[in-house]
Amino acid sequence: EDQVTQSPEALRLQEGESSSLNCSYTVSGLRGLFWYRQDPGKGPEFLFTLYSAGEEKEKERLKATLTKKESFLHITAPKPEDSATYLCAFGNRDDKIIFGKGTRLHILP
Amino acid sequence: EAQVTQNPRYLITVTGKKLTVTCSQNMNHEYMSWYRQDPGLGLRQIYYSMNVEVTDKGDVPEGYKVSRKEKRNFPLILESPSPNQTSLYFCASSPGTSSYNEQFFGPGTRLTVL
Repeated sequence: EDQVTQSPEALRLQEGESSSLNCSYTVSGLRGLFWYRQDPGKGPEFLFTLYSAGEEKEKERLKATLTKKESFLHITAPKPEDSATYLCAFGNRDDKIIFGKGTRLHILP
Repeated sequence: EAQVTQNPRYLITVTGKKLTVTCSQNMNHEYMSWYRQDPGLGLRQIYYSMNVEVTDKGDVPEGYKVSRKEKRNFPLILESPSPNQTSLYFCASSPGTSSYNEQFFGPGTRLTVL
């Protein structure tokens, strides 16, 4: 069965304290692995798409990486405005989209 | 402005009263999808459509219907809503006809069924 697990469920960091969020997945025919950011009461906002193991993408303080079983979202020197829920998702060979439950990130000033 | 719009944004209704939540996108996207988001369960796909007149079930389709008569619109229909359909609903669209591409989400519809 296709599934995705995100860890930790919640993470509190001091401003400037770098860390990583994990997304473990099992999928039959990966179309793409996606990372989104969601602020309270709003729709998810797209961050990255990764298609194959070894691929990496960066945007400001965020860097996403992909292996055959996991994806990581690395946050370098985070700021309070990086506080949000980060969602991992993938598309499978049936063209369904499966989301993880997310990691709630809180950056303390 | 490129966007996905949903209406209504908030709705309180009673069990059994049919309702429709509209979704429209102005980006000429092929792929559209509906999700529900519940605490502790995350985002779950209800239905998706890869093209006009082509729809398929996601992980939680029971109690919902959809139609895709035109590319820009993808309404979600609850024929006989029940309290367990109380949730936050999101519509999304994506370029292409598969799940290769990122999705653009609407602002959400908060539904309460009494």
